[in-house]
Amino acid sequence: DTEVTQTPKHLVMGMTNKKSLKCEQHMGHRAMYWYKQKAKKPPELMFVYSYEKLSINESVPSRFSPECPNSSLLNLHLHALQPEDSALYLCASSHPLRGPRLTGELFFGEGSRLTVL
Amino acid sequence: QQPVQSPQAVILREGEDAVINCSSSKALYSVHWYRQKHGEAPVFLMILLKGGEQKGHEKISASFNEKKQQSSLYLTASQLSYSGTYFCGNLEPPTTGTASKLTFGTGTRLQVTL
Repeated sequence: DTEVTQTPKHLVMGMTNKKSLKCEQHMGHRAMYWYKQKAKKPPELMFVYSYEKLSINESVPSRFSPECPNSSLLNLHLHALQPEDSALYLCASSHPLRGPRLTGELFFGEGSRLTVL
Repeated sequence: QQPVQSPQAVILREGEDAVINCSSSKALYSVHWYRQKHGEAPVFLMILLKGGEQKGHEKISASFNEKKQQSSLYLTASQLSYSGTYFCGNLEPPTTGTASKLTFGTGTRLQVTL
């Protein structure tokens, strides 16, 4: 199984709503990532979890709250978002660079397209 | 700072060749290349490691000049399926713990026509 599954595929929310994006992988990867992608732009890194611990936070506003309940799951909790937060949110996973697997190839899910009204 | 790619966009006829360049102001630990088709997730194509080792795609090749902090992706005899946006990525090794960081380049839109 070489898939990263993201739900929901589409989400529309108001600025006062609380919602969550979910990501799941069963490849045994111990590094998981959230990226944000605006139209016609490259993906921008938001968070990295390594061995279920938050390792990198790219100065993301606190209205985005990541959570890694176990090695297969990654959530992104959304609260009080702004219209400019509308984007495609991509989850990815990889083997961490430690150990014999030195490539760090990322496997991406298809993304959750978020619209904030 | 994200790596800068050139050209920004290119249109090819099927069977033609293309080169996409990636230049970084930061030292490149290893370079990844991904292709993203419209409305889809990025898909890994290739990785280039320091020392010249290369792992990845059968019909697409790449080079990595560590001194110049540049990488190039070579697409030969392009096919319609090559259309999409190509991103290079600079993989930085962990500074603390085990988390590595992949920063994507600015992207190159490639369209292959009949």
